[in-house]
Amino acid sequence: AQSVTQPDIHITVSEGASLELRCNYSYGATPYLFWYVQSPGQGLQLLLKYFSGDTLVQGIKGFEAEFKRSQSSFNLRKPSVHWSDAAEYFCALYSGTYKYIFGTGTRLKVLA
Amino acid sequence: SAVISQKPSRDICQRGTSLTIQCQVDSQVTMMFWYRQQPGQSLTLIATANQGSEATYESGFVIDKFPISRPNLTFSTLTVSNMSPEDSSIYLCSVAQGGGNEQFFGPGTRLTVL
Repeated sequence: AQSVTQPDIHITVSEGASLELRCNYSYGATPYLFWYVQSPGQGLQLLLKYFSGDTLVQGIKGFEAEFKRSQSSFNLRKPSVHWSDAAEYFCALYSGTYKYIFGTGTRLKVLA
Repeated sequence: SAVISQKPSRDICQRGTSLTIQCQVDSQVTMMFWYRQQPGQSLTLIATANQGSEATYESGFVIDKFPISRPNLTFSTLTVSNMSPEDSSIYLCSVAQGGGNEQFFGPGTRLTVL
């Protein structure tokens, strides 16, 4: 079955600390994977995507993600978190025929 | 990437009424999508809207409750009919680009039903 799991519902980090948000997927072929961010009251903004090639993907706002096939993971990272990064983060898998499977999201809180 | 706008951005409605949400894209796109995001939940696809054909609804969603129009390649509407408090959600439209495997989302419409 195709699925996306984000094990952490909430994460709290201090400003300036590093961040890693976990995403695990289940898919029978090479996946197309995405990370989106949703700020309060806003729609979804694409942070980065993985289609193929280099397994370390750079995105906007200083985010990166690493695709690890052996672990079925696509974790999102940022070396130093800013207060403006507080938001909800969604991992998504393109499952074909224009369909996406979204994880349940991780809400990030940043402490000053 | 496409720029997508939605109207209204938010609304508070009474139960039993209907609300039509508009989605406008700054370029022509074949596929448009409507999602629902219930409070504290992830996104659920309601339907796919192609220009010139009937919308395709996902399991659990029906045309009578969520009629969709797609009159041209840059515009779509979603109506939430006979609303109940359970319809309180954020409704997002999105468009597919890059061969369909990349989607861009509008800012969403936050609906509260009393």
